Amino acid sequence: DQQVKQNSPSLSVQEGRISILNCDYTNSMFDYFLWYKKYPAEGPTFLISISSIKDKNEDGRFTVFLNKSAKHLSLHIVPSQPGDSAVYFCAASTPGTYKYIFGTGTRLKVLA
Amino acid sequence: NAGVTQTPKFQVLKTGQSMTLQCAQDMNHEYMSWYRQDPGMGLRLIHYSVGAGITDQGEVPNGYNVSRSTTEDFPLRLLSAAPSQTSVYFCASSFDRETDTQYFGPGTRLTVL
Repeated sequence: DQQVKQNSPSLSVQEGRISILNCDYTNSMFDYFLWYKKYPAEGPTFLISISSIKDKNEDGRFTVFLNKSAKHLSLHIVPSQPGDSAVYFCAASTPGTYKYIFGTGTRLKVLA
Repeated sequence: NAGVTQTPKFQVLKTGQSMTLQCAQDMNHEYMSWYRQDPGMGLRLIHYSVGAGITDQGEVPNGYNVSRSTTEDFPLRLLSAAPSQTSVYFCASSFDRETDTQYFGPGTRLTVL
């Protein structure tokens, strides 16, 4: 049973526009959520995180929104740049654990 | 500061062979973990460690063994390789859960024939 789901395997966006990547989860015990970016032949790199006590966290062009009642989080990238083209993973963990459960990833392509 | 290093980068094994994937970090991180990435499956946690001498199972531990004798090293052993273990393996480390993030190594691409 997939506890963390990224239902869109791919997304294409024009440069300068907003990219919105979505992630749904089923385990209401998750209290910490992260987004990672991954380029081909490299390991994932951390992008932004959010704790369940917040509903929004911003870092430059990246904003993560958390809707606990809907068990949904989203990553907004504004403005999108060609260098943002990568696979994006969301991940979640439960309190006091280091067990991160990852989604299947969304491949973002930003068109110049 | 090399971060998280993994060796080898690529490996081909025959079914039944054993091997060890090496992972090392020089950031004095307590937490280390191993993931495998398969097409359409995302990253799945194999084993993790919260400090030297302490290891625990993740989502997909069968067929893999780990030990953590030092803070720096966290090797992953395949006891008897199977084609189902063909995957890309990533090692990760972090200082703690709430204030730090996981830093990933570059990965090892393993093919089992």
